[in-house]
Amino acid sequence: ETGVTQSPTHLIKTRGQQVTLRCSSQSGHNTVSWYQQALGQGPQFIFQYYREEENGRGNFPPRFSGLQFPNYSSELNVNALELDDSALYLCASSSQGLNEKLFFGSGTQLSVL
Amino acid sequence: GQSLEQPSEVTAVEGAIVQINCTYQTSGFYGLSWYQQHDGGAPTFLSYNALDGLEETGRFSSFLSRSDSYGYLLLQELQMKDSASYFCAVEGGDKIIFGKGTRLHILP
Repeated sequence: ETGVTQSPTHLIKTRGQQVTLRCSSQSGHNTVSWYQQALGQGPQFIFQYYREEENGRGNFPPRFSGLQFPNYSSELNVNALELDDSALYLCASSSQGLNEKLFFGSGTQLSVL
Repeated sequence: GQSLEQPSEVTAVEGAIVQINCTYQTSGFYGLSWYQQHDGGAPTFLSYNALDGLEETGRFSSFLSRSDSYGYLLLQELQMKDSASYFCAVEGGDKIIFGKGTRLHILP
């Protein structure tokens, strides 16, 4: 059984650029959620995908978008990067759209300069 | 609005017991989860309560009172490795909301 994996682990971008982060869910899980975690803060829910459909979204602007693929892996895309987008981006997987037990990846540390 | 409140920091002595409280305000409620996160690491699941009462998993226990919108995480026989941040989280409506976290400091 493989755990949740995210790539890349670290990324540096400049303001205005676009970025794509990737996540492979844990074996047997069909639900993926994405979070933004600033230093010293709790994870902030961005959105969730269940069976390739977005089924929940937090208070993030439309420039944050995502996809889930038939193998249940997922992408988070952020357009027009801003300095405040610098954070740790976490992906978590679970099964059947249930969120009582999330399995997190190690995250992608994004720095926007 | 939707929010979770938990203390920002708690300090306890190795071998002791500590309780981390969480109060929540959400539209819709399915259950309360707890996660541990060490510096530089990913959050890891500790426990989940959907119904009122106490759930015990080894040294960790979690309690929920739905009528009070309140829960807590109890850590017994504290070890130095328990030094970490602890987050409560709820699924409210179509959102998953995390608290800002409680930093647990353990003194030898």
